[in-house]
Amino acid sequence: NAGVMQNPRHLVRRRGQEARLRCSPMKGHSHVYWYRQLPEEGLKFMVYLQKENIIDESGMPKERFSAEFPKEGPSILRIQQVVRGDSAAYFCASSTRPRRDIGQSDSPLHFGNGTRLTVT
Amino acid sequence: GENVEQHPSTLSVQEGDSAVIKCTYSDSASNYFPWYKQELGKRPQLIIDIRSNVGEKKDQRIAVTLNKTAKHFSLHITETQPEDSAVYFCAASGGLNTNAGKSTFGDGTTLTVKP
Repeated sequence: NAGVMQNPRHLVRRRGQEARLRCSPMKGHSHVYWYRQLPEEGLKFMVYLQKENIIDESGMPKERFSAEFPKEGPSILRIQQVVRGDSAAYFCASSTRPRRDIGQSDSPLHFGNGTRLTVT
Repeated sequence: GENVEQHPSTLSVQEGDSAVIKCTYSDSASNYFPWYKQELGKRPQLIIDIRSNVGEKKDQRIAVTLNKTAKHFSLHITETQPEDSAVYFCAASGGLNTNAGKSTFGDGTTLTVKP
């Protein structure tokens, strides 16, 4: 099992350009989450997707940011017209379908190695 | 929504000593509490988790305790080693105000184990 695959590992963009971050979940995982980590800070939830559906995008800025998880292929986090404040590590995580049994309504997140975006 | 506070933000211990990191959460309906370890420049990795129907869980030198009444949970590392040095994050999820799987993370604790 190859784990959660993210690419690229490092991405440098000039202000105003677009950044596209890709994430392939672990085999058998149908739930994908994107988190942003600013330098020396914690992980902040951005968006939660299942195949072809955005379930929760409450943590994602309404402008310039978008995410998708198509039926075929990886999940994509797209940042348009990047600004210096977008510089951060973006982690993708996946999990199995959450179980609704009592005491087991959630499942661990498996993180990818992240994409470190630098905006110059 | 859920709010998770983590203390301390930095912790330095001598090799062999114990380390304790504490987290509090706000959503009483949260029922899943994982802990992640993140080494410098690497991805967060799950080290231990606990569900709300359990008060304590142990895995070798690592243990987690949960107090649902007080809404706090703690990570305990005994006989610390230099390779335990990393940033540790607590998280809470599964509450009524969150989608299943969406975790709220603490801001992290940087643990340094001095040889």
